[in-house]
Amino acid sequence: DIQMTQSPSSLSASVGDRVTITCQASQDIGNYLSWYQQKPGKAPKLLISDASVLKRGAPSRFSGRGSGTVFTFTISGLQSEDFATYYCQHYSSLPMYTFGQGTNVDVK
Amino acid sequence: QVQLQESAPGLVKPSQTLALTCAVSGASISSGGYAWNWIRQAPGKELEWIGSIHDWGNTDYNPSLRSRVTISVDKTRNQFSLKMTSVTVADTAVYFCARGSTSWRSFEFWGQGTLVTVSS
Repeated sequence: DIQMTQSPSSLSASVGDRVTITCQASQDIGNYLSWYQQKPGKAPKLLISDASVLKRGAPSRFSGRGSGTVFTFTISGLQSEDFATYYCQHYSSLPMYTFGQGTNVDVK
Repeated sequence: QVQLQESAPGLVKPSQTLALTCAVSGASISSGGYAWNWIRQAPGKELEWIGSIHDWGNTDYNPSLRSRVTISVDKTRNQFSLKMTSVTVADTAVYFCARGSTSWRSFEFWGQGTLVTVSS
């Protein structure tokens, strides 16, 4: 089984900050990696698919990079509405979908 | 806009069968090309994919849950369902239904989620 390790588990930041979250796969997964935002009591919202493809309508301050085993998700210029938990998610062709442990972004 | 809405009993007793339904609007399951999924999130935990079904009836399940889970589709009602047998307190979670993306690699549209509590 492929394991996804997301870090950090939480971080504190201020509006305007640049925030980066990392997701590491236990083996090469190509670019089969997505990123979601989840706010308390709400469903996750897809932001990035295939490691770096921004979902239509998602703000351009969100970006994703990486391939193989190491992936990053960046918020360039944190906004107040961005305080939330972010998850990475891997797809394998079995099929099997595996989520990371999540990163809670809160107010510094 | 695709919308999904879960319905569930709320409280289920241990060892019983959990049954949930996801009603889809704004899209037809019969139109094909997508996977329709169930995902859950235990309190304070990460998301866990349960399984998926395609319009032609093919199903895929998380190996850790395969022995207890069945997903079915009712195209006449434009909805799909999840049944989970022999539930325990560890199955207490918010259950989401979601439509996969065109590539099947991510989850593009989600229901709001419904809390199912397993308790005697």
